[in-house]
Amino acid sequence: QSVLTQPPSVSGAPGQRVTISCTGSNSNIGAGYDVHWYQHLPGTAPKLLIYGNTYRPSGVPDRFSGSKSGTSASLAITGLQTDDEADYYCQSYDSSLSGYVFGTGTKVTVL
Amino acid sequence: QVHLVESGGGVVQPGGSLRLSCVTSRFTFTNYALHWVRLAPGKGLEWVAAISYDGSQINYAGSMRGRFTISRDNSKNTLYLQMNSLTAEDTAVYYCARDFSMNGYSGYDYFDYWGQGTLVTVSS
Repeated sequence: QSVLTQPPSVSGAPGQRVTISCTGSNSNIGAGYDVHWYQHLPGTAPKLLIYGNTYRPSGVPDRFSGSKSGTSASLAITGLQTDDEADYYCQSYDSSLSGYVFGTGTKVTVL
Repeated sequence: QVHLVESGGGVVQPGGSLRLSCVTSRFTFTNYALHWVRLAPGKGLEWVAAISYDGSQINYAGSMRGRFTISRDNSKNTLYLQMNSLTAEDTAVYYCARDFSMNGYSGYDYFDYWGQGTLVTVSS
């Protein structure tokens, strides 16, 4: 049902860098709509990580960074920490659906 | 710290109805649009509905339109979601989320604060 596709899982050792892709289409990311990223630990409130493609809210470490190109976006996590184990979702707007859309979600595992 | 607390979830039979509430505090309620987002078991987040700061603009995800009604009471700092004709596919944790802006439907909106969610289970 999701129109934004993410890899189901990514993993890395502590200290490593991982990236999560978010692939959309010309009716959402490719149409110029911003991409935002959220971190979610099951049973807790989702947390805004990146807004407006590249901006971090205050309090979010600069280990998290976002980028966008064409019909895709990416979230990078550097210096991976055990606290980073969570589910991560991208979000944008889709003009064909006339609504907000989320990615399929990616589970990050720290080895 | 912005606070959003959902309530009203529970077990309901297929075809039944449920009304969710989201009580908010520690921010000026009338300055922000609000949304409902859900997370079904084994699935990803799904946007449900949005309402502008004054309730004048309302929008729904396609599958929810006609069955769900979002509303707000600005005198009580509370957001609501009335859900009718529920099916098993509506089983999910429902979150209320604050929009960063007043209108909530620019196409560039994002959700800067979320509640911890309330579980809705549709089962006979």
